[in-house]
Amino acid sequence: NAGVTQTPKFQVLKTGQSMTLQCAQDMNHNSMYWYRQDPGMGLRLIYYSASEGTTDKGEVPNGYNVSRLNKREFSLRLESAAPSQTSVYFCASSERALRGVRETQYFGPGTRLLVL
Amino acid sequence: AQSVAQPEDQVNVAEGNPLTVKCTYSVSGNPYLFWYVQYPNRGLQFLLKYITGDNLVKGSYGFEAEFNKSQTSFHLKKPSALVSDSALYFCAVRDRGNTPLVFGKGTRLSVIA
Repeated sequence: NAGVTQTPKFQVLKTGQSMTLQCAQDMNHNSMYWYRQDPGMGLRLIYYSASEGTTDKGEVPNGYNVSRLNKREFSLRLESAAPSQTSVYFCASSERALRGVRETQYFGPGTRLLVL
Repeated sequence: AQSVAQPEDQVNVAEGNPLTVKCTYSVSGNPYLFWYVQYPNRGLQFLLKYITGDNLVKGSYGFEAEFNKSQTSFHLKKPSALVSDSALYFCAVRDRGNTPLVFGKGTRLSVIA
């Protein structure tokens, strides 16, 4: 049981390049999330998917797109990377979103992204 | 809008002493409250949560937190700190509606031998 996995672990991009961050979970969770972590800012929600087939914007969605490919996988795409998107990106999953008791989130190890 | 504050960026404590990491929140109605810990170069790990019931919640690794509705606080505590507790701690909150979790900015705990 691997939990939540993320690829790649580290990536360097040039301004304007695009890339997709991959996330997969093997816990049969319904809900998945993408966060970014910046020094002094804590974790900020980019997008989430409460269930397969749905996605919703979080606090900082601009410059990102997501795809809930199936129940297991939730990808984050940067169409045209900017230096402001330099950050550590975390994917998380939970049994249910917005249901309190079952909302405990389990996090992946993170992707460190540097945009030059 | 819901929010959470962790007033201390850094907490230093000697090994064996009790530790407290502070968290205050603001939500409409009753909150769901969580604590997570992050070790270097790792993702966040769930420690404990308050949903309803007993105000004192016990979690992993000997940590506990007390929900105080009148003070809108959910401080994380441990009776005797270990060097291995040194990490970044996040408090998170949401209301009971359809809004996602909001995380605090984190408090770095340093336990000194």
